[in-house]
Amino acid sequence: GQQLNQSPQSMFIQEGEDVSMNCTSSSIFNTWLWYKQDPGEGPVLLIALYKAGELTSNGRLTAQFGITRKDSFLNISASIPSDVGIYFCAGPTPHIAQGGSEKLVFGKGTKLTVNP
Amino acid sequence: EAQVTQNPRYLITVTGKKLTVTCSQNMNHEYMSWYRQDPGLGLRQIYYSMNVEVTDKGDVPEGYKVSRKEKRNFPLILESPSPNQTSLYFCASSTGTGLTGELFFGEGSRLTVL
Repeated sequence: GQQLNQSPQSMFIQEGEDVSMNCTSSSIFNTWLWYKQDPGEGPVLLIALYKAGELTSNGRLTAQFGITRKDSFLNISASIPSDVGIYFCAGPTPHIAQGGSEKLVFGKGTKLTVNP
Repeated sequence: EAQVTQNPRYLITVTGKKLTVTCSQNMNHEYMSWYRQDPGLGLRQIYYSMNVEVTDKGDVPEGYKVSRKEKRNFPLILESPSPNQTSLYFCASSTGTGLTGELFFGEGSRLTVL
């Protein structure tokens, strides 16, 4: 099936630093979703992107839908300890295969650790 | 409060002993889905349901069953659990097809099969 490649797999940063992570695919996506999973919790949607080139912010978070539609970036500015968690990108598989159906796929996640 | 509720949150069982993980949502969502999360593998879809009495396999359905008799409930059934089903399980729901809108996740059910 279609794959989303997230990098880096993990990050260890100091409080106050900016963070950047990305998600790439060999196929075109029409929607990019970014989720965050706090330790011991289920993932929660942070940002949804629906248009190539779109740049959307949510507080200190900014995400961009790549112009090629094959990638997306998530940036966190001035990190704080509560930014700790796993960040997932996700998107619907791009085309309905013959006899198949679209499915939502997730990247493997970027685990963020913030040292106070 | 809008929520997805899973039970049990933690379970230790033995190989072959049938178990059911319940999932209930109070948002009148059409779409519901089960995922398992394993280290290094991210979230993998087990089964999903587009509406009552409509279910379909995800990427890793082997060893699992589901049913959708009511809109709010989507139980995950392990008829004969095996150790490779030790994992963290999440139920999620969404309006519409669940492909482009927000997925609401439960808090997770950590299952250990000995």
